[in-house]
Amino acid sequence: QKEVEQDPGPLSVPEGAIVSLNCTYSNSAFQYFMWYRQYSRKGPELLMYTYSSGNKEDGRFTAQVDKSSKYISLFIRDSQPSDSATYLCAILNTGGFKTIFGAGTRLFVKA
Amino acid sequence: DGGITQSPKYLFRKEGQNVTLSCEQNLNHDAMYWYRQDPGQGLRLIYYSQIVNDFQKGDIAEGYSVSREKKESFPLTVTSAQKNPTAFYLCASSMSGETKQFFGPGTRLTVL
Repeated sequence: QKEVEQDPGPLSVPEGAIVSLNCTYSNSAFQYFMWYRQYSRKGPELLMYTYSSGNKEDGRFTAQVDKSSKYISLFIRDSQPSDSATYLCAILNTGGFKTIFGAGTRLFVKA
Repeated sequence: DGGITQSPKYLFRKEGQNVTLSCEQNLNHDAMYWYRQDPGQGLRLIYYSQIVNDFQKGDIAEGYSVSREKKESFPLTVTSAQKNPTAFYLCASSMSGETKQFFGPGTRLTVL
């Protein structure tokens, strides 16, 4: 079993839709949760960073962590064509050094 | 501008050749990392360094080598021992003890 599971997609939605991207993880020691956005042929950029269970909002983006289910989500409201990218979840355990990345979900937002 | 630079952007290598990928950062970060990204797979850690003159193997270090002689620089050498080197290589850095990593633009290596 992989430490982090993420559906690679692709996921195609119309402009303005609400997008839900998800990851599951296996180790309850993981405490830090991140979402990176990666445009084609570019390096990933950090989008959201959370530590605790619950929701964290930043503009059109909401990161949600459910530690009891070992499930993390990224919601994108009012999706735009510029949101078309690959979204990678990433997790890290307390005191650890190695970040574990999901495979990434490819998102296409159609105008 | 502060950031991470990688060069070259594209690199072509013949089988049996060693090649070195450059990674430089001016963020004053202590830690630096090298990842490999293949289609449909997450980033896999090759090597990382937490301080100058020290580095550790990641999950897929075989066929790769690194050095960390300066805080700003963390070059990666892909040796002929790496059997399947064609991939997208990403360098990242972070503050010591910080979980957030910042990535460079990547180098796409193709073996001909």
